[in-house]
Amino acid sequence: DAKTTQPNSMESNEEEPVHLPCNHSTISGTDYIHWYRQLPSQGPEYVIHGLTSNVNNRMASLAIAEDRKSSTLILHRATLRDAAVYYCIAGGWGNTGKLIFGQGTTLQVKP
Amino acid sequence: DTGVSQDPRHKITKRGQNVTFRCDPISEHNRLYWYRQTLGQGPEFLTYFQNEAQLEKSRLLSDRFSAERPKGSFSTLEIQRTEQGDSAMYLCASSLQGAVEQYFGPGTRLTVT
Repeated sequence: DAKTTQPNSMESNEEEPVHLPCNHSTISGTDYIHWYRQLPSQGPEYVIHGLTSNVNNRMASLAIAEDRKSSTLILHRATLRDAAVYYCIAGGWGNTGKLIFGQGTTLQVKP
Repeated sequence: DTGVSQDPRHKITKRGQNVTFRCDPISEHNRLYWYRQTLGQGPEFLTYFQNEAQLEKSRLLSDRFSAERPKGSFSTLEIQRTEQGDSAMYLCASSLQGAVEQYFGPGTRLTVT
């Protein structure tokens, strides 16, 4: 699994878009990019994943750089409930599917 | 379906005691994972089951730890002779084979005094 680098913390205002960056310069061609988030006192929650193309779902969008060495999770309109630790994971999905978490980015959302 | 459940949610034990945690995955999910999370850190992989077979164990899983998934449904994680360093949140997750996303339970918080 590739090492990922994320900022320790970010702040956003409520109802504004948030762009959470992640670097994964040693990613291999078969590694998926996964994002999970963890709200206080809860287990992690799946947000989105992608391989090469940008992805959208009801929670967020994932923009993947053309060289796949970085990606950005986009929350289109932050709410107070989006305050959480966001984890970017670049890893193989294949054999076991185990996730290797880093320390993540703590997102604060201000009203 | 109510998602992944874990029991108990909190456990306080004295050093040297044995503890056992239970995880009930989402039905029909044949993959089950255990992770451990200490304060301020991301979760760390401990072990993985596909159906009833334990296919991978992390080096973090010392001899004092044992996990089972006897009928390919629920799983138990036992820690023998607990140490203060075992204090952590123990998370369980499940997924379908072939699916990327994992679904996590709320965790069991263990405090060893």
